[in-house]
Amino acid sequence: DAGITQSPRYKITETGRQVTLMCHQTWSHSYMFWYRQDLGHGLRLIYYSAAADITDKGEVPDGYVVSRSKTENFPLTLESATRSQTSVYFCASSGTDLSGNTIYFGEGSWLTVV
Amino acid sequence: AQSVSQHNHHVILSEAASLELGCNYSYGGTVNLFWYVQYPGQHLQLLLKYFSGDPLVKGIKGFEAEFIKSKFSFNLRKPSVQWSDTAEYFCAVTLGGATNKLIFGTGTLLAVQP
Repeated sequence: DAGITQSPRYKITETGRQVTLMCHQTWSHSYMFWYRQDLGHGLRLIYYSAAADITDKGEVPDGYVVSRSKTENFPLTLESATRSQTSVYFCASSGTDLSGNTIYFGEGSWLTVV
Repeated sequence: AQSVSQHNHHVILSEAASLELGCNYSYGGTVNLFWYVQYPGQHLQLLLKYFSGDPLVKGIKGFEAEFIKSKFSFNLRKPSVQWSDTAEYFCAVTLGGATNKLIFGTGTLLAVQP
C-alpha cells in the first residue's frame, strides 16, 4: 500500500529559483495538507485542500502556491525560493474512518535553499 | 487563536523510567486530540487519538493518554520507556466539526538512555 508519497525527498536549490514539491496519495482522501517543520516551531500548516479545486491558506502561506486539479495530487510550489524556506516539508491527507478523521503523513521532503 | 502547548521541550530518561508528557490546548469547543511520534529521520506516525467516549485512550507501543476536559489537557504516558522510544512527540488538535486542520504543539524531544 503506497499511502502518501512525496518527491523529491531531498532537494537543494538556489535563492530565487522555483521549486515544486509533489505529493500523491492513493487513498482517495478528500483532505490534503502541506506542513513545514522547523526547529522550535513544530509543524505549521502552509496550505490545505478540502477537495479537488478547493484550497485554502494555513498558518504560513506566504511564498507558496498550491493546486489540486486531481484528488490524489497536491503539489506545493515555491515561486521564488528564499533561505527562510529551508525546511522539512510534510504532505498529509485525511479521510473519514469509523472513529472520525485521522491525518496521515508522508515521509517528508528536505529542502535546502542556498 | 487556538493553540497547543507542550511545556516539556526536551526530556531525558533512563530505560524503565515512567514517562508523562504534558499537552494543553486552548479552545473551548469540541476537539479531537492526537499524539504523533517522529522517530529520527522518519515521518510522523499516529500514536493514539481521542474523539469521544472513554477519556483514557490506549495507543500503540504501550502508550496511553488521558483527556481531562476541565484542564484542557491530553497528557501522554508510558509506565516504562525503552531506548527505542527515543523520538520527538507531538500533540495535536483538530477542532470538532471543522476542516480537519491539525494544530500542532512545538514537540517534545525524548531521549532514553540505555
